[in-house]
Amino acid sequence: KAGVTQTPRYLIKTRGQQVTLSCSPISGHRSVSWYQQTPGQGLQFLFEYFSETQRNKGNFPGRFSGRQFSNSRSEMNVSTLELGDSALYLCASSRDPGSNQPQHFGDGTRLSIL
Amino acid sequence: DQQVKQNSPSLSVQEGRISILNCDYTNSMFDYFLWYKKYPAEGPTFLISISSIKDKNEDGRFTVFLNKSAKHLSLHIVPSQPGDSAVYFCAARSYSGNTPLVFGKGTRLSVIA
Repeated sequence: KAGVTQTPRYLIKTRGQQVTLSCSPISGHRSVSWYQQTPGQGLQFLFEYFSETQRNKGNFPGRFSGRQFSNSRSEMNVSTLELGDSALYLCASSRDPGSNQPQHFGDGTRLSIL
Repeated sequence: DQQVKQNSPSLSVQEGRISILNCDYTNSMFDYFLWYKKYPAEGPTFLISISSIKDKNEDGRFTVFLNKSAKHLSLHIVPSQPGDSAVYFCAARSYSGNTPLVFGKGTRLSVIA
């Protein structure tokens, strides 16, 4: 069974640019969540999507946005990139948000801002 | 406001001995708790979970204990193996309150052969 797939694995951008990251959940999983991991800060929640609807949103500026498609695949977009956006961005999927099932993570996209 | 706290950034244990990783939480609405393990350059891997209706859950070498009155949970690894060396994250959420998963900052476990 294929796991959560995130593309690209690595990305280098410059300040002011925008970026789109992609996440394909495990087959049958309809809930997708995004997290930002920076050194010493653990995983900070960005958004959670289910059935193409955003269910929860973390405390990030409006430059961070996301969406989910009808096939449960999800994208997140960061506009006007800042140096502080350099981080590992992780996507996780689960069957649905209402069940006591763990989220399963992809290997992340490492974003570096120059 | 950190709702999930892992107060030990690192822990070193001899191979074969017990590893105990601790986690405290502040939100009394949390009703589902998980532990994840993370190796460098990989995403977190789910290890074990526990619902608030239980106080213990075992899976092989891994046992999670939950003390709701103290708002504390711990992960016991027995016996510890060198391959267990990784960063361990504690996480919690409230299904009844529809909160997202909240993570601690992690504890780096080193198992010394």
